[in-house]
Amino acid sequence: KQEVTQIPAALSVPEGENLVLNCSFTDSAIYNLQWFRQDPGKGLTSLLLIQSSQREQTSGRLNASLDKSSGRSTLYIAASQPGDSATYLCAADNYGQNFVFGPGTRLSVLP
Amino acid sequence: GAVVSQHPSRVICKSGTSVKIECRSLDFQATTMFWYRQFPKQSLMLMATSNEGSKATYEQGVEKDKFLINHASLTLSTLTVTSAHPEDSSFYICSALQGSNTEAFFGQGTRLTVV
Repeated sequence: KQEVTQIPAALSVPEGENLVLNCSFTDSAIYNLQWFRQDPGKGLTSLLLIQSSQREQTSGRLNASLDKSSGRSTLYIAASQPGDSATYLCAADNYGQNFVFGPGTRLSVLP
Repeated sequence: GAVVSQHPSRVICKSGTSVKIECRSLDFQATTMFWYRQFPKQSLMLMATSNEGSKATYEQGVEKDKFLINHASLTLSTLTVTSAHPEDSSFYICSALQGSNTEAFFGQGTRLTVV
């Protein structure tokens, strides 16, 4: 059974810092891994999707990497801004087992 | 943590029929529920936001007459795919917000196959 964990649970940083969010999964037989952002009271916003055959994806200031063998993915946010404050979720899409979400990392970027 | 139950986990239906997917919050009241779908090799995308006792808010490009959402109670929201076609085959997942809490809890998802 797939289990997904995220570290840290919460993070508070001053504006401008580069930061890394970590995601770990127990079953490496994933179809893909996704990173999402959730703002208070809103639905998920998809940030990056990494297929199982890929090692990283980049979008603007965001870079996500995937290491299936070690069961890890990281989300790197460069030059953080107050508007980046949100909860960040990773989710492993297993073959035939649907989605398993991590508990999320609450990020606060202070002006 | 709170539990959201989604049913069924898998369904195969014939083209032209309707399919109902249920999303229940088992141990909390959910004033807001979200419905998402994911096509193969694509990202999970928000379809609609469902608020208890009011009409759902659909995202651009989602047909509200095809994807009927009912959120009649604080613990149940349903998504009905009407007159399903093979192109509706997808993975559908719901999530529920616990009051004003920012944390959302996800159902297990439903894999719909229309043949």
